[in-house]
Amino acid sequence: EDQVTQSPEALRLQEGESSSLNCSYTVSGLRGLFWYRQDPGKGPEFLFTLYSAGEEKEKERLKATLTKKESFLHITAPKPEDSATYLCAVQAKGSGTYKYIFGTGTRLKVLA
Amino acid sequence: GAGVSQSPSNKVTEKGKDVELRCDPISGHTALYWYRQSLGQGLEFLIYFQGNSAPDKSGLPSDRFSAERTGGSVSTLTIQRTQQEDSAVYLCASSLGTQIYNEQFFGPGTRLTVL
Repeated sequence: EDQVTQSPEALRLQEGESSSLNCSYTVSGLRGLFWYRQDPGKGPEFLFTLYSAGEEKEKERLKATLTKKESFLHITAPKPEDSATYLCAVQAKGSGTYKYIFGTGTRLKVLA
Repeated sequence: GAGVSQSPSNKVTEKGKDVELRCDPISGHTALYWYRQSLGQGLEFLIYFQGNSAPDKSGLPSDRFSAERTGGSVSTLTIQRTQQEDSAVYLCASSLGTQIYNEQFFGPGTRLTVL
């Protein structure tokens, strides 16, 4: 069964304390993996798309990497404004169509 | 420019009543998606529309759920005979197409509470 699992469920960091969020996936026909940021009461905001193993993308303090089984979102020297829920999703080939499978997210809290 | 908008932002209804949720996608976006986000759960794909093609309804949880998209723009998600387990945030997203490189832009969601 296609599945996306994120860990940890919640993470508290001190400002400046770097860490990584994990997204492991089991899907057939992976077309791409997405990272989103979601603030309370808002819809997810797109961060990155990764297409193939070995690919890396960076944006400010965030860096996303992809292997054949998992993706990491590295947060370097986080600030309180990075506090949010980070969602991972994959687009996979379904029967005759595409399907999107989301993980349950990692709730990140960065303390000043 | 304007992003994806959804209305209402909050909806409280009684069990057994029908509800309609509306989504206005970004102008020019041919693909439109509906998701459901329940507490502690990941986003659950419900349905997507791509241009004039028949919608992919594979994610709809029951025949009480239906959606339409008029004129390739505005979409309405209808839930008939609502149940308490339908309580969730319903999110709409749109994109230029369904290719992998087409980023999905999400609306703020409609929070549905079924009493």
